[in-house]
Amino acid sequence: RKEVEQDPGPFNVPEGATVAFNCTYSNSASQSFFWYRQDCRKEPKLLMSVYSSGNEDGRFTAQLNRASQYISLLIRDSKLSDSATYLCADYLGGGKLIFGQGTELSVKP
Amino acid sequence: EAGVTQFPSHSVIEKGQTVTLRCDPISGHDNLYWYRRVMGKEIKFLLHFVKESKQDESGMPNNRFLAERTGGTYSTLKVQPAELEDSGVYFCASSQPAGGPDTQYFGPGTRLTVL
Repeated sequence: RKEVEQDPGPFNVPEGATVAFNCTYSNSASQSFFWYRQDCRKEPKLLMSVYSSGNEDGRFTAQLNRASQYISLLIRDSKLSDSATYLCADYLGGGKLIFGQGTELSVKP
Repeated sequence: EAGVTQFPSHSVIEKGQTVTLRCDPISGHDNLYWYRRVMGKEIKFLLHFVKESKQDESGMPNNRFLAERTGGTYSTLKVQPAELEDSGVYFCASSQPAGGPDTQYFGPGTRLTVL
């Protein structure tokens, strides 16, 4: 089993839609998780941190479910500019990040 | 403030050749990380420097890979000799002293193709 697993997608949604991604992790001791956004052929950029129950930033909400060992990212009112690959990462300490394969999102007009 | 820079942006070499990738972290960032993404796979951790010292090199694939960070500033990652399976995008990231992963900034990556 992979340490961090994501549905690769692609998720094709219309503008204005709400979309949710899930990411499961295998290390029950993990405390911190992150969502990164990666545009095509660009570097990953930190989108949100998830330390406890959840985090909200504008249209983006991240939640952690420790019992079921998954984190989720909810995007409300999708914009064309939200099209990207969304990576979740498990922080193992000492700066080491374990990434999932990424979920591709395509927002259409 | 300048971000993490990497050189070259692309490199195409033949199997058996040597390639050296360079990473310049954000000024003042003691922590420097190398990651790699092989096509179709997830981004994987290679190693972590704190200043010039290797803190964690558990992700280095084999002894054909050598990372250095002399003087604790820029870092190089040498692959010698390169194999076909080494193709991928090599990312460098840096963070401030005692910084958590929130502060880990990624460079644009070096796309390596081994023919």
